Amino acid sequence: SAVISQKPSRDICQRGTSLTIQCQVDSQVTMMFWYRQQPGQSLTLIATANQGSEATYESGFVIDKFPISRPNLTFSTLTVSNMSPEDSSIYLCSVEGSGYDTGNEQFFGPGTRLTVL
Amino acid sequence: GIQVEQSPPDLILQEGANSTLRCNFSDSVNNLQWFHQNPWGQLINLFYIPSGTKQNGRLSATTVATERYSLLYISSSQTTDSGVYFCAVDSWEGGFKTIFGAGTRLFVKA
Repeated sequence: SAVISQKPSRDICQRGTSLTIQCQVDSQVTMMFWYRQQPGQSLTLIATANQGSEATYESGFVIDKFPISRPNLTFSTLTVSNMSPEDSSIYLCSVEGSGYDTGNEQFFGPGTRLTVL
Repeated sequence: GIQVEQSPPDLILQEGANSTLRCNFSDSVNNLQWFHQNPWGQLINLFYIPSGTKQNGRLSATTVATERYSLLYISSSQTTDSGVYFCAVDSWEGGFKTIFGAGTRLFVKA
């Protein structure tokens, strides 16, 4: 399994501002994933971040709103830009397992709970 | 794209009761996972089960890939089992991604 940490764990922000969320993994991984979970909803993939290349965004998510960095194989950041109350969600980072038995198993960080006022 | 449907959407149990949660998926999958999201939002891996049956304590899961469904069994439920249970499958359509079902919200009463 992978151990994933996220910072901050929660934040309350004013509309129009931006927040950068950090994700750190205890081992090198090829792909890192960012998800959003709106209140009472399931998880929706925002983008896939590969080291050394541009992130791949899912339909409905754009780089200007959710810029992502992936400077190395253990770290990524997601920025939520120009926030509005509709951005209030839990943002989760995940990675794939790297073992023989867990090759495609997904592991998740503890999440960042964002409230936008 | 692949669709993942979970049932029931909500479930209330008396402590000690057993339950079965279901996950149907619309296309062939290589991987299927069950997660428990606790009241604090943490997603906990329960099973990585693309096919077959696995057991872990009071929990077990069965995936019948040819019939496109998976079942999660909870026996002798406890209040700490409360939370949301998600089924998730992998899709390679448009690049690799994991597709989540809407979840089953479980509340276990003491």
